[in-house]
Amino acid sequence: GAVVSQHPSRVICKSGTSVKIECRSLDFQATTMFWYRQFPKQSLMLMATSNEGSKATYEQGVEKDKFLINHASLTLSTLTVTSAHPEDSSFYICSARDPRDRGSTDTQYFGPGTRLTVL
Amino acid sequence: RKEVEQDPGPFNVPEGATVAFNCTYSNSASQSFFWYRQDCRKEPKLLMSVYSSGNEDGRFTAQLNRASQYISLLIRDSKLSDSATYLCVVNLVATSGTYKYIFGTGTRLKVLA
Repeated sequence: GAVVSQHPSRVICKSGTSVKIECRSLDFQATTMFWYRQFPKQSLMLMATSNEGSKATYEQGVEKDKFLINHASLTLSTLTVTSAHPEDSSFYICSARDPRDRGSTDTQYFGPGTRLTVL
Repeated sequence: RKEVEQDPGPFNVPEGATVAFNCTYSNSASQSFFWYRQDCRKEPKLLMSVYSSGNEDGRFTAQLNRASQYISLLIRDSKLSDSATYLCVVNLVATSGTYKYIFGTGTRLKVLA
């Protein structure tokens, strides 16, 4: 299957700082990428859909100004958590659809995730 | 009501056992369905798509009942390496026109030696 990478895998920062997470599709071009957040013992929650060359679509309840998404190329989307606070500590995971997949299944391939800890 | 519901478990089963997980979804417009596997502190990995006619991949069998809005996963001859959380995923068309995944909370499986 398609390969998606994320960087960094782990970050610890002080409250009030901004953190940038990168998501890359390594062997395919992704016009759409997705950003999820997963709190301990909970499921993945979609935060936003990142579209190459246009604005991201945010899910209800997700602050656009706090979670900045930029999808500047067909292989890179970034999520910046601005002025991070301890309640933002979570596992952030991106995914991408491989346009080479045919059929109606519309599979998403996930990056390895970024564990953010805000002190 | 949650959009995708699963029994969180845990299901503790001996090696070699057969175990079944169920999942229900609330949106009848759901387009496609998947089972993903997630190991502790890792990303989800696709286990299998679920087709209306039912499908099998080795020891794993998935079934879909659109009328009842119900999906199942059967694991035969459980291995220790099957221990993980199994996520039921439903694919919906969002208002933006793109597809989006809705995840269940997952069912934890622990296979015991």
